Amino acid sequence: GAVVSQHPSWVICKSGTSVKIECRSLDFQATTMFWYRQFPKQSLMLMATSNEGSKATYEQGVEKDKFLINHASLTLSTLTVTSAHPEDSSFYICSATSSGTSGRGYNEQFFGPGTRLTVL
Amino acid sequence: AQSVTQLGSHVSVSEGALVLLRCNYSSSVPPYLFWYVQYPNQGLQLLLKYTTGATLVKGINGFEAEFKKSETSFHLTKPSAHMSDAAEYFCAVSVPGGYNKLIFGAGTRLAVHP
Repeated sequence: GAVVSQHPSWVICKSGTSVKIECRSLDFQATTMFWYRQFPKQSLMLMATSNEGSKATYEQGVEKDKFLINHASLTLSTLTVTSAHPEDSSFYICSATSSGTSGRGYNEQFFGPGTRLTVL
Repeated sequence: AQSVTQLGSHVSVSEGALVLLRCNYSSSVPPYLFWYVQYPNQGLQLLLKYTTGATLVKGINGFEAEFKKSETSFHLTKPSAHMSDAAEYFCAVSVPGGYNKLIFGAGTRLAVHP
């Protein structure tokens, strides 16, 4: 089936530093990728939608200058948390979807395993 | 706008008992509906989805769900719970077209005891 990977799986950083999280679709072309944030024991909150080669669309309340998203190719999107602070500590999950022409079921999002970010 | 309500943040069943996880949705257009399962510190795995056609949808691991438009519901069931079913379950709604953006419910944590 369709596989989405994330790297790193966990990261610990100091307050004020920037952290980059990668999301890759391993066996299909992801025309659209999504970034979610999940606090402990809570649901997933969509942060932004990114399409290859264009600027990401951020959800209301998400700081675009803090959470930089780049979708440079059809298999890679990155989320950079800039000047991270303890309140940014969370579980970040990406997902990817393809167009119907890829044969991967265009209604379905395929989720990565998540990245746990801890900011000290 | 779309929204999802999952009734019951925690459900506990005995092994072998029926599992029923409730989901109601709100959508101004016919939605796509999904159930996902999440194990600790992992991403989401799709259990089943409803897009069009048959309203009773069968998924993986013996789960099924029925789309009831009149009740705006998409409840998840499994006839006999296994210990391995213990996890967090999320119902989600999507509007056809566009970028298939998903709106998730708050989740239901299923506990299975011997």
